[in-house]
Amino acid sequence: QLQLQESGPGLVKPSETLSLTCTVSGGSISSYYWSWIRQAPGKGLEWIGYIYYSGNTNYNPSLKSRFTVSLDTSKNHFSLNLTSVTTADTAIYYCAAGTSLLFDYWGQGILVTVSS
Amino acid sequence: SYVLTQAPSVSVAPRQTARITCGGNIIGTKSVHWYQQRPGQAPVLVVYDSTDRPSGIPERFSGSNSGNTATLTISTVEDGDEADYYCQVWDSSGDFVVFGGGTKLTVL
Repeated sequence: QLQLQESGPGLVKPSETLSLTCTVSGGSISSYYWSWIRQAPGKGLEWIGYIYYSGNTNYNPSLKSRFTVSLDTSKNHFSLNLTSVTTADTAIYYCAAGTSLLFDYWGQGILVTVSS
Repeated sequence: SYVLTQAPSVSVAPRQTARITCGGNIIGTKSVHWYQQRPGQAPVLVVYDSTDRPSGIPERFSGSNSGNTATLTISTVEDGDEADYYCQVWDSSGDFVVFGGGTKLTVL
């Protein structure tokens, strides 16, 4: 059974770069689509982007191109970088995975607050 | 880009049937996936490919999809079904994932 766990800072200052990591256990990272999804307080789910195990990526066209998703097969984790954060980026960030672009597996989520 | 429309809220009495809809342009031609999100928890997949249930999901949860509307049906609703429900598709034209806005199910 695949298990995902997000890690990273809970507080980031405006204009800084946010880096989150999702550690994968119980299976190989060399398969699946690996995605990041966020949820602003009291709001719905927003897909950020995915990376396929082959290295192909794609991102939500509605978001500005501040996001980068990467994969580290040697460490069995994948990551999210978000540059120039603003208060609008305050959200719970989930990592998720599936054999196609649906999400069978989710991390528990990590709350990231952007504040000075 | 592709848009999925859900009603903000649905209310149902215990042991009745809840129907949660997801509207989209010819959504009947797409695979629709449904997630349940209880307060303070991560979402859980309850229906995939419009009609299939992952292992461990009760048979009370079922899905249908035709024309411009996909529907998640929860029969014999229980207090524990009170949650937010999200539909999701893959927009193949741009290789994007799209979520509906979510429906809050209240058990009266």
